[in-house]
Amino acid sequence: GAVVSQHPSRVICKSGTSVKIECRSLDFQATTMFWYRQFPKKSLMLMATSNEGSKATYEQGVEKDKFLINHASLTLSTLTVTSAHPEDSSFYICSAYYSSGANEQFFGPGTRLTVL
Amino acid sequence: GNSVTQMEGPVTLSEEAFLTINCTYTATGYPSLFWYVQYPGEGLQLLLKATKADDKGSNKGFEATYRKETTSFHLEKGSVQVSDSAVYFCALSLFGNEKLTFGTGTRLTIIP
Repeated sequence: GAVVSQHPSRVICKSGTSVKIECRSLDFQATTMFWYRQFPKKSLMLMATSNEGSKATYEQGVEKDKFLINHASLTLSTLTVTSAHPEDSSFYICSAYYSSGANEQFFGPGTRLTVL
Repeated sequence: GNSVTQMEGPVTLSEEAFLTINCTYTATGYPSLFWYVQYPGEGLQLLLKATKADDKGSNKGFEATYRKETTSFHLEKGSVQVSDSAVYFCALSLFGNEKLTFGTGTRLTIIP
């Protein structure tokens, strides 16, 4: 099956710093990738839709200047949490949409961000 | 707006027991419905789906039927195994398999 990786799997940073999370589709090309955030005992919340070669589309309430998304190639999307604060601590999950095959989203294993 | 409500866990069952995880939804329009499974340390995987009313999705012994009249998509399995221990997410989409709305997830533990 199609594989999506995320890096890093865990990151701890100091308040005020920026953190970049990478999402890669390893064996297929994805024109669309999605970024989700998961709080403890809460559902996954879609943050933004990342389209290769164009600006990301953010869901209502998500600060685009806070969560910078870049989809520079058909296999890579990055999420940068800028000027991180403790309330940004969460589990971030990406998915890649495989449209020329299964028409299905394939999910990465997630990144645990802890901001001190 | 769209939302998915699924039974809160955790759920603990003995091996070979019957499993039901309830899922109901609210949506404008006619959504596609999904069950995803997340095994420890892995990403979410699509378990099964149904795209219209009365459709039954099935995979690995799991089944779920799209019930429009009760707006439900309950997950069932007749005889669970230890290897079924995971977190299960119910989800809907109004755009094929894009823009998924998830439930909170149900952690299932099967004991030998």
